[in-house]
Amino acid sequence: KAGVTQTPRYLIKTRGQQVTLSCSPISGHRSVSWYQQTPGQGLQFLFEYFSETQRNKGNFPGRFSGRQFSNSRSEMNVSTLELGDSALYLCASSWGERPPWDEQFFGPGTRLTVL
Amino acid sequence: GQQLNQSPQSMFIQEGEDVSMNCTSSSIFNTWLWYKQDPGEGPVLLIALYKAGELTSNGRLTAQFGITRKDSFLNISASIPSDVGIYFCAGRYSGAGSYQLTFGKGTKLSVIP
Repeated sequence: KAGVTQTPRYLIKTRGQQVTLSCSPISGHRSVSWYQQTPGQGLQFLFEYFSETQRNKGNFPGRFSGRQFSNSRSEMNVSTLELGDSALYLCASSWGERPPWDEQFFGPGTRLTVL
Repeated sequence: GQQLNQSPQSMFIQEGEDVSMNCTSSSIFNTWLWYKQDPGEGPVLLIALYKAGELTSNGRLTAQFGITRKDSFLNISASIPSDVGIYFCAGRYSGAGSYQLTFGKGTKLSVIP
C-alpha cells in the first residue's frame, strides 16, 4: 500500500512569510504527527492529530499550527517565518489507537529553507 | 522534559564488522523504536520493542528493551555498505495516551568497503 506522502518536497520562503505543508497518511491511519528536524536540535515533536482533533502538542510557539481533515490528511502552517524555522518537516502516520502498539511511519519530509 | 542520550554519535567501521549503539533515558518508556534515515528521506522503522527485557531481531539487526525501561540497544551484525545512514532511537510513554515520540540525536554510521 502507498506510504505517507508529503507535499511539497522543497520550499523556499523569506522571513515574515507564512507557509503551509501537507501530509497524506497511509490509508486507514487516523493519526498524523508532525516533527521538525534540524542539525542542532534533532527530531522534535510538534503536534499530533487524531480524528480532526489535536491530541498532543510539543513545545513550539503558536506560530506553528496544524489541522486535520475528515479524510485524515493533515496540514501544518507556520506564520511569520524566521530564519530558525529552516528545517526538514516530517509527518508520521499511525492507526492512532491501542498504545503502546502503535507504530509511526514517516513520510519523506518537506525541506523548508527560510531566507 | 524527557531526554534521550544516544551513543556513539558517529562510527566508522569496516564492512563485515558488527556494530552496537545504545540509548538511555532519564524517564521510563513503554515503547522503544529504532529508525534508520537516509539522506533526504524520512526515517524508516527498523524494529519496535514493547516489553521490558524484550529482544527482537530483524535480519541482521537485533534490538533489546532494557529491564529498567530506560534504555535500549541496537546491534547490526556483519555490516554491509547499504547499512550507511543515521540510526535513531525513539521512546514513547503512552500512560496518558500520548503518541509523542522522543528521539535521540542519532548515530551516523559509515561503512568502509
